[in-house]
Amino acid sequence: DADVTQTPRNRITKTGKRIMLECSQTKGHDRMYWYRQDPGLGLQLIYYSFDVKDINKGEISDGYSVSRQAQAKFSLSLESAIPNQTALYFCATSDSGGQTDTQYFGPGTRLTVL
Amino acid sequence: QKEVEQNSGPLSVPEGAIASLNCTYSDRGSQSFFWYRQYSGKSPELIMSIYSNGDKEDGRFTAQLNKASQYVSLLIRDSQPSDSATYLCAVRESGATNKLIFGTGTLLAVQP
Repeated sequence: DADVTQTPRNRITKTGKRIMLECSQTKGHDRMYWYRQDPGLGLQLIYYSFDVKDINKGEISDGYSVSRQAQAKFSLSLESAIPNQTALYFCATSDSGGQTDTQYFGPGTRLTVL
Repeated sequence: QKEVEQNSGPLSVPEGAIASLNCTYSDRGSQSFFWYRQYSGKSPELIMSIYSNGDKEDGRFTAQLNKASQYVSLLIRDSQPSDSATYLCAVRESGATNKLIFGTGTLLAVQP
């Protein structure tokens, strides 16, 4: 079984709809991240969480919200989806920091907003 | 704004050749550097990490780091068509945030 899973893997929705993307991990890591990736652009950090009670905005948090329900679960919500949120979304996890802290990525969710 | 820059490519090399991928970064305090491989439509997969100046080898891959020049590179020896992918350079931001800053990636095409 995969260590980091994301659901759904593909989603098509309409402008104005609320949508939630879910991430679960069995790696036992404290830290979890949400990124988006657009063609020709690097991975952009949306939100990150260092533990259940810690939520931090990344560089592109506008239009998104997150919930850290448990150590193993981190959800990303689009309250009112718009077409320019069409992208590939990745969840990642890492252990408790330090120089060698390494991020591991889930399989991604391809989101299309019409 | 801390930046990580990579040549977008495509970098085309013949099968069996050495592929050389380069990355520069702006944050002088960065101490951790990573190379990820990403096949089209798939998630990034870690292939190398490096923390000290010099070379680090793992199989056909060698990462090279020069902190004074703010430069990190990845060499792939005996390139195979299966190495064709986008290679992302990631640099850990200095300070308490522990965030990774990603380059836009270099597309490598290995020609059979």
